[in-house]
Amino acid sequence: EVQLVESGGGLVQPGGSLRLSCAASGFTFSTHWMSWVRQTLGKGLEWVANIRDDGGVIHYVDSVKGRFTVSRDNAKNTLYLQINSLRVEDTGVYYCARDIHSVHEDWGQGTLVSVSS
Amino acid sequence: EIVMTQSPATLSVSPGQRATLSCRASQSISSDLAWFQQKRGQAPRLLMYRSSTRATGIPARFSGNGSATEFTLTISSLQSEDFAIYYCQQYNNWPWTFGQGTKVDVK
Repeated sequence: EVQLVESGGGLVQPGGSLRLSCAASGFTFSTHWMSWVRQTLGKGLEWVANIRDDGGVIHYVDSVKGRFTVSRDNAKNTLYLQINSLRVEDTGVYYCARDIHSVHEDWGQGTLVSVSS
Repeated sequence: EIVMTQSPATLSVSPGQRATLSCRASQSISSDLAWFQQKRGQAPRLLMYRSSTRATGIPARFSGNGSATEFTLTISSLQSEDFAIYYCQQYNNWPWTFGQGTKVDVK
């Protein structure tokens, strides 16, 4: 059974940083693209970034370029999202997803990021 | 960026009745469209991809149609567990983008 478990969310002040993690199990992590998708009150569901199975290709949505960094450790079956310079509008639930042929086939339960002073 | 527009925002349907949800892309996306279902407090769940292919375990009462810019998701006979929010998403062009959702509630 595919399992994706996010962690690392929390309450942070504007300008702060967080590192989100997504622990994967039940499939061969090193052979799949992975995505981060967030859900905010302002924009609804928003694809944020994805990363190729070997980490060699990464895409970001424009609104997070320069602030978010996605990475992965295939030895640990873990996906990461480093979020810097947090803004109030980044508040939301962050999901990781396993991608198959560009489709978000499986999702984690999400981790909540709250940005407030 | 491709804008995905869903209609209606809310669809009120009686159990056992048919529901038809629409999704329009601001430019052609071929058949690179997925549908997701989201219930309160849960992550989205993949229903359909490539416009009309059901994901694993999705009942046959769900069907998808369309190509280019116009797409539909039909639920042939609504069951109690189908009342939820439905989102379309295009994966033809970066950045991948979602529609704003259609809420299907009980009439």
